[in-house]
Amino acid sequence: KAGVTQTPRYLIKTRGQQVTLSCSPISGHRSVSWYQQTPGQGLQFLFEYFSETQRNKGNFPGRFSGRQFSNSRSEMNVSTLELGDSALYLCASSPEQGARSNEQFFGPGTRLTVL
Amino acid sequence: AQKVTQAQTEISVVEKEDVTLDCVYETRDTTYYLFWYKQPPSGELVFLIRRNSFDEQNEISGRYSWNFQKSTSSFNFTITASQVVDSAVYFCALSDTPQVRGSARQLTFGSGTQLTVLP
Repeated sequence: KAGVTQTPRYLIKTRGQQVTLSCSPISGHRSVSWYQQTPGQGLQFLFEYFSETQRNKGNFPGRFSGRQFSNSRSEMNVSTLELGDSALYLCASSPEQGARSNEQFFGPGTRLTVL
Repeated sequence: AQKVTQAQTEISVVEKEDVTLDCVYETRDTTYYLFWYKQPPSGELVFLIRRNSFDEQNEISGRYSWNFQKSTSSFNFTITASQVVDSAVYFCALSDTPQVRGSARQLTFGSGTQLTVLP
C-alpha cells in the first residue's frame, strides 16, 4: 500500500496570503488528522476529519481550517498568513477499525515558510 | 489534561554505545496508548512502537527495547549498540480514549529528544 502523501513538500508565502495544503491518506483510511510542528511549540494537533466531517479540533485560531472529500483526501487552509505560521505541517491517516485503529500513519509533511 | 515530558533535549553518544531515551506521561484516562516515533532530517514521523495501558510487558525489537512502567508513568526507549543511522529526533506520544467512538485518537507529543550518534 502506498503511504500518506502530502503536496506540496515545500512552500514559500508572504504575510497576508493564504495557503492550501493537500493530504492523501493510505487507501482505505477514512480518518485524517493534521499536526503543526514548530521549534517553539513542538508538535500540536490541529484537527481531525472523518467521513467529510470535522470531529476533533485543537486550539488554533479560525484562520486554520480544513475539509475532507468523499475519497478521504483532505486539505487544510491557512488564511491571512503570519510569520509564526512557518512550520512543518504533518498529515496522518488512521484506519477506521481493526487492530491498528488507534495508530496514526504520518506523511512526509509540507514545510511552509512565511516571509 | 494529558502531558508528555521528554526531559532530555539532546543526547550525544559514540557509535556502539547503548542509549536510553526517557519519557514520562500524565493522563487521567485508564485506557490509553503510548507511542514512540522517529523523525529523521527528512521530516516524516516513523512509527516505532505502540503500547496500550493494559500491557506492561517490555518489548524488544532488534536493537530497540522499551520499558513501560505504569507505577512511575514512564515509557523509556533503549537503543543497544547505537549506529550513526539512529541519529534523529525521537518523540514519545500519548493518545487517550476518543470522545467519538471510532475516531482517531489525538496524539499528545513530548518535545522530542535529538539523538546524535557519532562515528
